[in-house]
Amino acid sequence: EAGVTQFPSHSVIEKGQTVTLRCDPISGHDNLYWYRRVMGKEIKFLLHFVKESKQDESGMPNNRFLAERTGGTYSTLKVQPAELEDSGVYFCASRKTGVSPGELFFGEGSRLTVL
Amino acid sequence: AQSVTQLDSQVPVFEEAPVELRCNYSSSVSVYLFWYVQYPNQGLQLLLKYLSGSTLVKGINGFEAEFNKSQTSFHLRKPSVHISDTAEYFCAVSLLGYSTLTFGKGTMLLVSP
Repeated sequence: EAGVTQFPSHSVIEKGQTVTLRCDPISGHDNLYWYRRVMGKEIKFLLHFVKESKQDESGMPNNRFLAERTGGTYSTLKVQPAELEDSGVYFCASRKTGVSPGELFFGEGSRLTVL
Repeated sequence: AQSVTQLDSQVPVFEEAPVELRCNYSSSVSVYLFWYVQYPNQGLQLLLKYLSGSTLVKGINGFEAEFNKSQTSFHLRKPSVHISDTAEYFCAVSLLGYSTLTFGKGTMLLVSP
């Protein structure tokens, strides 16, 4: 069974540009999460999808971030326009409904560097 | 709001020595507790979890953790570490009924021969 896959693994862009990160969850996992780790800080929650619906987006930092999960399969996280403070590692995780809470399967992360 | 404190950013230890990674949490309501591990160039992987019941929980790779409600702690231990345990370890909590995790800053375990 394939794990959570994220693309790209690393992206370097200039301030003001746009970047789109993609996450493919484990097949059959209705729950999809985005987290972010800024260097030296905690891994912080961004948002949670249940199928195609946003269950909780309380962690999204501002309206420059847009997450979608059309069709309830893969998800994208777009940052537009990117700022220096958006640099960090963006993790995607998925979970099957009904399993133990907090038991998430994480991808390897997408490292975003904004110059 | 809940929070997690991992006081040690790095813990160096020799192979076959015991190790304890500390985790304290703060919450006004009951929480679930987790330890995740991130090996180099990999995603986070669940090491163990405490949901209810016995306060001593065992996880993968010989790790265990003990939930102490009075001290609001969930320290991770292993009696004898291996080089392959070198990784970053994250303590996390979630509120009962919620699946969103709040993480600590992580502790880098460095095992040397």
